[in-house]
Amino acid sequence: GAGVSQTPSNKVTEKGKYVELRCDPISGHTALYWYRQSLGQGPEFLIYFQGTGAADDSGLPNDRFFAVRPEGSVSTLKIQRTERGDSAVYLCASSPGGTGASNYGYTFGSGTRLTVV
Amino acid sequence: GENVEQHPSTLSVQEGDSAVIKCTYSDSASNYFPWYKQELGKRPQLIIDIRSNVGEKKDQRIAVTLNKTAKHFSLHITETQPEDSAVYFCAASWLGRGGSYIPTFGRGTSLIVHP
Repeated sequence: GAGVSQTPSNKVTEKGKYVELRCDPISGHTALYWYRQSLGQGPEFLIYFQGTGAADDSGLPNDRFFAVRPEGSVSTLKIQRTERGDSAVYLCASSPGGTGASNYGYTFGSGTRLTVV
Repeated sequence: GENVEQHPSTLSVQEGDSAVIKCTYSDSASNYFPWYKQELGKRPQLIIDIRSNVGEKKDQRIAVTLNKTAKHFSLHITETQPEDSAVYFCAASWLGRGGSYIPTFGRGTSLIVHP
């Protein structure tokens, strides 16, 4: 697509429920990143994919968070047993991928605002 | 991992004045420093970036400087306009386990330009 698309734009869920957030990156971008942005903070890195594999998941806060990218394009961030502290805007970004200069130029999606009540 | 500090958290200027936002980083291996502008309820948008082999870069009213020795970089906006009002984030990119560079963001500066 023309840009990074994220759905849904807003999600309200009850504490303890499971949620899935979807990201559709720019066509041809092999690198995909998930970030979490809390109110008044900068985006916080969660996980990064190069193709289908999770190249770096060091930012995932705990094992309730998981992400997949089975065909190397669309990615889904999955959160189990949601807690109120998970409430934030979840941003996805993509870049051309690879190493070195080709990896520069991240483009963000509009985010999914998750509210856990 | 990388740690990025950004100052000030809020910056209020009159239209036409200059604005300067400063960031420091901790990992000397970081070599790519983008700046993002985020308007209320919208996605962060890349406005300018600089790589570690360059000390300064300018794009119209926006300039960025980098001091690798001191590990700090700054955003300069001249002749500010009300539409420059937004939250600005700096970032320093570190090498992730997958071999690509991942940005660590500062906490943001809320710039308010008064007409």
